[in-house]
Amino acid sequence: NAGVMQNPRHLVRRRGQEARLRCSPMKGHSHVYWYRQLPEEGLKFMVYLQKENIIDESGMPKERFSAEFPKEGPSILRIQQVVRGDSAAYFCASSPSGQTKASGANVLTFGAGSRLTVL
Amino acid sequence: RKEVEQDPGPFNVPEGATVAFNCTYSNSASQSFFWYRQDCRKEPKLLMSVYSSGNEDGRFTAQLNRASQYISLLIRDSKLSDSATYLCVVNAAGGFKTIFGAGTRLFVKA
Repeated sequence: NAGVMQNPRHLVRRRGQEARLRCSPMKGHSHVYWYRQLPEEGLKFMVYLQKENIIDESGMPKERFSAEFPKEGPSILRIQQVVRGDSAAYFCASSPSGQTKASGANVLTFGAGSRLTVL
Repeated sequence: RKEVEQDPGPFNVPEGATVAFNCTYSNSASQSFFWYRQDCRKEPKLLMSVYSSGNEDGRFTAQLNRASQYISLLIRDSKLSDSATYLCVVNAAGGFKTIFGAGTRLFVKA
């Protein structure tokens, strides 16, 4: 079991460029979560997706950020026109089933993260 | 007020010491609670779930006080390898977000 795979592990972009971060969930997991962690801070929820559906994007900035989880392939977090403040570690997590009112929280398994540096 | 608050520390303790962390949460409807551990520049990993009745896993004991809306983690007989940041994690009933506290840093020294 390969676990949650994220790539690239490190990404350097200049201001104004686009960043694409990819996440493949654990085998058998169909739910993906993206979190951002700024230096010396905690993880901030960004978005929760199932295949082909965005379930909760309340933590996503209104502009420049988007996420998808297509039927085939990894989940992608896309940041357009990056700024220095986007520099952070972006963690993806997956769970076998969703977090619903009935089921409560499922344990999240995290990938190793993608560290974005904007010059 | 933050949804999940933790004392950032750092806690500096000698090997063999007992150390306790507390965490408070603001949403009284929260249903699920966890402690995660994060090593420097690594991903968070589940340490243990927290149940109302309290639970223990080896040297680690977690407690939940719903009335006061706080969660605790007790580490006995600290090891050098316990040095890490401990994240308090809460999920609200009916919510999709799992909320992480900013973490408490622990340094265990020989």
